[in-house]
Amino acid sequence: KQEVTQIPAALSVPEGENLVLNCSFTDSAIYNLQWFRQDPGKGLTSLLLIQSSQREQTSGRLNASLDKSSGRSTLYIAASQPGDSATYLCAVSGGEGSSNTGKLIFGQGTTLQVKP
Amino acid sequence: GAGVSQTPSNKVTEKGKYVELRCDPISGHTALYWYRQSLGQGPEFLIYFQGTGAADDSGLPNDRFFAVRPEGSVSTLKIQRTERGDSAVYLCASSLTNRETQYFGPGTRLLVL
Repeated sequence: KQEVTQIPAALSVPEGENLVLNCSFTDSAIYNLQWFRQDPGKGLTSLLLIQSSQREQTSGRLNASLDKSSGRSTLYIAASQPGDSATYLCAVSGGEGSSNTGKLIFGQGTTLQVKP
Repeated sequence: GAGVSQTPSNKVTEKGKYVELRCDPISGHTALYWYRQSLGQGPEFLIYFQGTGAADDSGLPNDRFFAVRPEGSVSTLKIQRTERGDSAVYLCASSLTNRETQYFGPGTRLLVL
């Protein structure tokens, strides 16, 4: 059964710092991996999607990498800003024996606070 | 363009009552997903529709939960005989295909008293 873990659960950094959020998954036979942002009381906003054949994706100050063989992904945020404060969720679809439905298995998230 | 919308945004009901939660996906998206999120947790998969059919309902917790998508667009999640443990945020997502980015709605916050 696929399990997704995110460490740390919470992170507080001063504005301007570069930071890395970690995600690990137990079954490397994934179809893709997505990173989401969730603001308090809101739905999820998709940040980046990495297909299983890709190694990384970039969008603005965000860069996500994928190492399928080791079951790991990182989300790198450059020059953090107070507006980046939110919970970041990692999710994978697929896994050995799973049908290709695209259903996502989520980690518990990392809550980020960027202090001005 | 319009994103995924969900109604109602909040629902308070009494134990034992029946509730319906509605999801309007992005136009043209054939894949639709329902998830449930408890406080402090990541969302958990409930059911996946490809077009009008439920292609994977393995996440539904029991037979009190049922979902439909009769015309391949709007979906309704139905919960019978609600229990206090059903209290959560119910999220809907849609995507062009089941291999692409899922776009989430704002969720329905269900509170069962």
